[in-house]
Amino acid sequence: EDKVVQSPLSLVVHEGDTVTLNCSYEVTNFRSLLWYKQEKKAPTFLFMLTSSGIEKKSGRLSSILDKKELFSILNITATQTGDSAIYLCAGYAGNNRKLIWGLGTSLAVNP
Amino acid sequence: NAGVTQTPKFQVLKTGQSMTLQCAQDMNHNSMYWYRQDPGMGLRLIYYSASEGTTDKGEVPNGYNVSRLNKREFSLRLESAAPSQTSVYFCASSGWGAGGYTFGSGTRLTVV
Repeated sequence: EDKVVQSPLSLVVHEGDTVTLNCSYEVTNFRSLLWYKQEKKAPTFLFMLTSSGIEKKSGRLSSILDKKELFSILNITATQTGDSAIYLCAGYAGNNRKLIWGLGTSLAVNP
Repeated sequence: NAGVTQTPKFQVLKTGQSMTLQCAQDMNHNSMYWYRQDPGMGLRLIYYSASEGTTDKGEVPNGYNVSRLNKREFSLRLESAAPSQTSVYFCASSGWGAGGYTFGSGTRLTVV
């Protein structure tokens, strides 16, 4: 059965810390790995990763995919209180166009 | 640039009542999805429509029906609401080959 597992489930850090969020996946007909950020409303798209070893960056956030070991990490450097959110990881199964979602990592950044 | 528009934002129903959640997207996406999100259970797929004219069950379809009215619109109907259907519902659409979804703002539904 397809599954995506995220760790840790929750994390509390201080402003300025660097955090690494983990996502492992087992997805049949895997096409891509996606990261979303969810604050109080709907998830918003962060990254889509399709190739191993190529880092994607957006400001203080970066992510990389390892298709051999079936995992991805999301790094956030110099965290700010505005980074407090649930970070969701999902694997895309290209054959049925569905996303397999992890349960998310709840990140709290304290001032 | 509206993206995915979902209505209503909030709703309270009595057990046994029916209602329809509306979703429309203006991005010319082929695929549309309905999810529910509950604490500790993540996003669970209720129904999806890979393209206009098709609909398929997701993980938790019981108690729900859907209609893909046209390429833009995908509605979710609760025929006889139950307290177990208290949840936050999200509509999403996707036009990318690799799975990028755009979500609506969500509907917080309470069934009493």
